[in-house]
Amino acid sequence: QVQLQESGPGLVKPSQTLSLTCTFSGGSIRDSSYYWTWVRQYPGRGLEWIGYVYYTGSTYYNPSLKGRVTISLGTSENQFSLEVSSVTADDTAVYYCARDKRVKPKAIDFWGQGTLVTVSS
Amino acid sequence: QSALTQPASVSGSPGQSITISCTGTNSDVGGYNYVSWYQHHPGKAPKLLINEVNNRPSGVSDRFSGSKSGNTASLTISGLQAEDEADYFCSSYTRTSTLVFGGGTKLTVL
Repeated sequence: QVQLQESGPGLVKPSQTLSLTCTFSGGSIRDSSYYWTWVRQYPGRGLEWIGYVYYTGSTYYNPSLKGRVTISLGTSENQFSLEVSSVTADDTAVYYCARDKRVKPKAIDFWGQGTLVTVSS
Repeated sequence: QSALTQPASVSGSPGQSITISCTGTNSDVGGYNYVSWYQHHPGKAPKLLINEVNNRPSGVSDRFSGSKSGNTASLTISGLQAEDEADYFCSSYTRTSTLVFGGGTKLTVL
């Protein structure tokens, strides 16, 4: 069974960079079947897809985040990371890491429990 | 990309069936058979219930079923049980190769 867990600071000051790490078990980041993905959920429920990193290091991001996002492979085979720069209160959300299956049947098949990040001075 | 539209809440009694809708556009739900449904108990990891509109992953109860007509996908839960009380949300791949999600529906089992 695949399990993912987000970790990182729960409080970030405005204009600083939010940094989170996802550590997972039950698989390898070098598995070509998956995109390693970040999603966030705003207070009030709405979910937003942030983007993904592939095992080759290639990435794809939500255009709405306007270049503030970097998703990267971790230093070990079971980690990947998220950075969001120049954060504002609008970046306050629960952040989820997830595994997105790129081959049929396509879907995000496993998620972490999520971690709340609050942007406040 | 705009979010997919779901009702904020639905309710039903044990043993009944309920249906949750998820409405998008031709650029997402209507254009691709890549709609998924998730069950989310707050504080836990979301659980995949349905992928590719109507496919149930191994281990998911057959009380959960999915369908699609035009730009609207639907999740039906039959034989409601108390443990089904949770949030449910849909997702769809889009023509720009991104993912878009529904706003979520809170299911109350009366």
